[in-house]
Amino acid sequence: AQKVTQAQTEISVVEKEDVTLDCVYETRDTTYYLFWYKQPPSGELVFLIRRNSFDEQNEISGRYSWNFQKSTSSFNFTITASQVVDSAVYFCALSEAPYNTDKLIFGTGTRLQVFP
Amino acid sequence: GAVVSQHPSRVICKSGTSVKIECRSLDFQATTMFWYRQFPKQSLMLMATSNEGSKATYEQGVEKDKFLINHASLTLSTLTVTSAHPEDSSFYICSANSAGFAAKNIQYFGAGTRLSVL
Repeated sequence: AQKVTQAQTEISVVEKEDVTLDCVYETRDTTYYLFWYKQPPSGELVFLIRRNSFDEQNEISGRYSWNFQKSTSSFNFTITASQVVDSAVYFCALSEAPYNTDKLIFGTGTRLQVFP
Repeated sequence: GAVVSQHPSRVICKSGTSVKIECRSLDFQATTMFWYRQFPKQSLMLMATSNEGSKATYEQGVEKDKFLINHASLTLSTLTVTSAHPEDSSFYICSANSAGFAAKNIQYFGAGTRLSVL
């Protein structure tokens, strides 16, 4: 069965701290995509990254970095030098086939609060 | 690019009325759109997959006659909550698959609609 687990329900940090959000997934497919989305208080989900199952290279985008490890079925997200604007709910998601009609399987989300 | 517009952002209605929510992909064509429901502090629950020119595919437990979905064009899908009741109050979010937009296969989301049924 396909499943995405975000064990951290809520994380609180002080500004400028680094924080890592964990994501563990389960799938039987060899071809799949992993995603991270950010949902600020306004409600809209903002796409952050997509990673396919054949590419295990870590990715960095500004203060954001992602660590994909197939051996542990994890796709963790690190925010370096966190800022108050990073406060949001972050969702990890899995898509099992790169087709138009495929569904996203979401984790339960991690609520990140960054205090000044 | 890859902007999805959802309207209205908030609606308050009386019990028994029907409410229509629109989801538009503004700068790309979306053969597939998705409708989600989100309860406070919970994850997104997929309600249905909307395919242009054909009937929507509903997830188990979602009432087809309650939540009518129409995907009449490559840029517009609508969700109508028929005879709304207080238990239908929720946050509804749509997304559009960007497969036709530089073939990235990414779902881009609208800003959501907060429905309150009195």
